[in-house]
Amino acid sequence: GQSLEQPSEVTAVEGAIVQINCTYQTSGFYGLSWYQQHDGGAPTFLSYNALDGLEETGRFSSFLSRSDSYGYLLLQELQMKDSASYFCAYKRGKLIFGQGTELSVKP
Amino acid sequence: SQTIHQWPATLVQPVGSPLSLECTVEGTSNPNLYWYRQAAGRGLQLLFYSVGIGQISSEVPQNLSASRPQDRQFILSSKKLLLSDSGFYLCAWRKGRSGANVLTFGAGSRLTVL
Repeated sequence: GQSLEQPSEVTAVEGAIVQINCTYQTSGFYGLSWYQQHDGGAPTFLSYNALDGLEETGRFSSFLSRSDSYGYLLLQELQMKDSASYFCAYKRGKLIFGQGTELSVKP
Repeated sequence: SQTIHQWPATLVQPVGSPLSLECTVEGTSNPNLYWYRQAAGRGLQLLFYSVGIGQISSEVPQNLSASRPQDRQFILSSKKLLLSDSGFYLCAWRKGRSGANVLTFGAGSRLTVL
């Protein structure tokens, strides 16, 4: 079958580092993406890993291990505005999303 | 630059009424187009996608349908809405024949069926 699993919610404090994990199961794999969605808004693209390793974009980094069918999104220097839902997604013809992780950043 | 427009932004419809949500993309040609639905507090469920005019792939059997009458226009419809059709409907596009996983979403249409 095809599926993605990620924690439903994570809480962290301002200035901290948080990691959101994503494990996937699929018979074909073409890279892992991460999207951010603020409450009531549309998802926006954050990062994409086609190959194993770490991709860094400012305070956000994303990691992929294809042998472990695992990836994570790392958010550093957390800010209140980072409170949002984060989705991992993979492409198999079309983009399939996980159920999302709700991140709450506390002062 | 490319932009995506989606309307209406919100609507409240009675059970059994018809539905039409429209999505248009500007600034690109031959995009791949998608309709997703998001129930409250849940993930994104892919409903339909299209790689070209008149080409529609359905992911979930239900009382919804989609059409692509023009290259950059994607319409989601229903003849008779159900209570379970309530949700946040998102249109998205990406460049056709692209290996990138970058989808650009519209602002969404929030549907409440009463």
